[in-house]
Amino acid sequence: AQRVTQPEKLLSVFKGAPVELKCNYSYSGSPELFWYVQYSRQRLQLLLRHISRESIKGFTADLNKGETSFHLKKPFAQEEDSAMYYCAPKGGANNLFFGTGTRLTVIP
Amino acid sequence: DTAVSQTPKYLVTQMGNDKSIKCEQNLGHDTMYWYKQDSKKFLKIMFSYNNKELIINETVPNRFSPKSPDKAHLNLHINSLELGDSAVYFCASSQDSGAGGYTFGSGTRLTVV
Repeated sequence: AQRVTQPEKLLSVFKGAPVELKCNYSYSGSPELFWYVQYSRQRLQLLLRHISRESIKGFTADLNKGETSFHLKKPFAQEEDSAMYYCAPKGGANNLFFGTGTRLTVIP
Repeated sequence: DTAVSQTPKYLVTQMGNDKSIKCEQNLGHDTMYWYKQDSKKFLKIMFSYNNKELIINETVPNRFSPKSPDKAHLNLHINSLELGDSAVYFCASSQDSGAGGYTFGSGTRLTVV
């Protein structure tokens, strides 16, 4: 069975500081991993897909199969980055399973 | 145009009532989903529906039943509402395997009193 762990429920950083939101997964087979973001009182939005290797809003995430991690990183945090971030592997039957989420607060 | 729309946005109801939440997507996606987000912000999948195939998360009580009149709609019906059903319910859709990600609705905040 697939599992995803986001060890930090809350993460606070100062504006301009680097930020890393951790995600570890256990999955049999080749995982497809995503990061979703939920800004205050808004819908969940797709932020990143590991297969596309893209950078969105300055965020990047590298799939590390050796460490089974898919950490989300940004070199310089901005206040508008404050939100809930969910790591999500795609599991059986193509369903997304979400981690418990990390609430990021960027302090001005 | 809203890609995935849910109605109502807010729903307050008494215990024991039966209620429905509607979801429509205009993206032409093949698969639709219902997720529940509890007060701790945990997100759990409840159902997925693709080409008339319903996949149910076994932890979902059978008081919850999805109904799909067509590919663009997946409504959620809840019987005999309980206090613990209070949560935000999100509808989502994806194309094929979902490799392009899911598109979520704005959520329905259900409060059972």
